[in-house]
Amino acid sequence: DAKTTQPPSMDCAEGRAANLPCNHSTISGNEYVYWYRQIHSQGPQYIIHGLKNNETNEMASLIITEDRKSSTLILPHATLRDTAVYYCIVRPTNAGKSTFGDGTTLTVKP
Amino acid sequence: DARVTQTPRHKVTEMGQEVTMRCQPILGHNTVFWYRQTMMQGLELLAYFRNRAPLDDSGMPKDRFSAEMPDATLATLKIQPSEPRDSAVYFCASGLATQTVFFGQGTRLTVV
Repeated sequence: DAKTTQPPSMDCAEGRAANLPCNHSTISGNEYVYWYRQIHSQGPQYIIHGLKNNETNEMASLIITEDRKSSTLILPHATLRDTAVYYCIVRPTNAGKSTFGDGTTLTVKP
Repeated sequence: DARVTQTPRHKVTEMGQEVTMRCQPILGHNTVFWYRQTMMQGLELLAYFRNRAPLDDSGMPKDRFSAEMPDATLATLKIQPSEPRDSAVYFCASGLATQTVFFGQGTRLTVV
């Protein structure tokens, strides 16, 4: 599995965009980038994933660089409920096995 | 609303007792994962199954832990005998082989 690197913590003002970076410089061609978040001790919640193109859904946008070595998760209008630990992982398409790092603790402040 | 269901949500047991955690994957999902989360180690993959067959259990202590899928709708994780260091939140997750994996709400285990 490719390893990912994320900043340990970030702050964001409520209503502003939160941009969470992730480095995955050793990603392989068949590996997707997945983002999950975990609020308190709940189960990790799926947010979004992508292979090489940028993706958007109702929760967030995912921007993947052209060389695929890094990505950014964008929460366009952060709310207090978005305070959580955000995990960026890479996952091979054929195996399904995923390794979680330490993630980024995002704190949204009023 | 399809979801992964884990039972029990909380379990307190005495050291030496057997503990069984259960997971009902999302209907139709053929891949099931067991993770353990502690403050010190974060989220660790213990084992995973595809089509009920174990694919990788290298993260699981073999002497006391066992994971099985008696059928496609039930996955179990057993600890025998349990020890205080097994105290953690255990998550089950399911998905299709090449698609998104969804997590349950976890079983919080406390071994005293």
